[in-house]
Amino acid sequence: QKEVEQNSGPLSVPEGAIASLNCTYSDRGSQSFFWYRQYSGKSPELIMSIYSNGDKEDGRFTAQLNKASQYVSLLIRDSQPSDSATYLCAVTKGRRALTFGSGTRLQVQP
Amino acid sequence: GAGVSQSPRYKVTKRGQDVALRCDPISGHVSLYWYRQALGQGPEFLTYFNYEAQQDKSGLPNDRFSAERPEGSISTLTIQRTEQRDSAMYRCASSFPPLTSGREVTDTQYFGPGTRLTVL
Repeated sequence: QKEVEQNSGPLSVPEGAIASLNCTYSDRGSQSFFWYRQYSGKSPELIMSIYSNGDKEDGRFTAQLNKASQYVSLLIRDSQPSDSATYLCAVTKGRRALTFGSGTRLQVQP
Repeated sequence: GAGVSQSPRYKVTKRGQDVALRCDPISGHVSLYWYRQALGQGPEFLTYFNYEAQQDKSGLPNDRFSAERPEGSISTLTIQRTEQRDSAMYRCASSFPPLTSGREVTDTQYFGPGTRLTVL
């Protein structure tokens, strides 16, 4: 079992819809959770971080964390074609290196 | 300010040669991380430093890989006697120490553009 699991996709949504990206992790001691966006050929870029159970909203993005279920999600409201990218879920424990999932490719159809 | 920089951006080498990849972190960042990313995968941890001290090298695949950060700023990842399986994108990231606010710990890592290594 991988430490961080994501559906590879592609996840295809129409422009203006809500995109829902999911991630599960295996280490119950994980403390910090991140979503990175990676455009093709580019480096990962931080979108959201979340550390406590519940929801955290930033503009069109909402991260959701459920530590009991070992589950993290990212919602993108009013999806735009420019949101088309690979979304990487990453977790860490304290001041440690990130453990990444394989990423979910999102395609927003105009 | 300037972000994380890496050089060279592209490196093509022949099997058996040594290569040195350089990372220049964001000024003042204490922590520096090396990752390797294969196509279609997320970055995979190699090693990391706080200041000049190598904190964890458990991700280095074998003893052909080594890294240093002698003055606590620029870091070099060296691969000796390269093999074709070493071909990948090598990424560097840097961060501040965690800031504590209540029970939250923040340690955002900022990634450089990467070095694409091709071993022929």
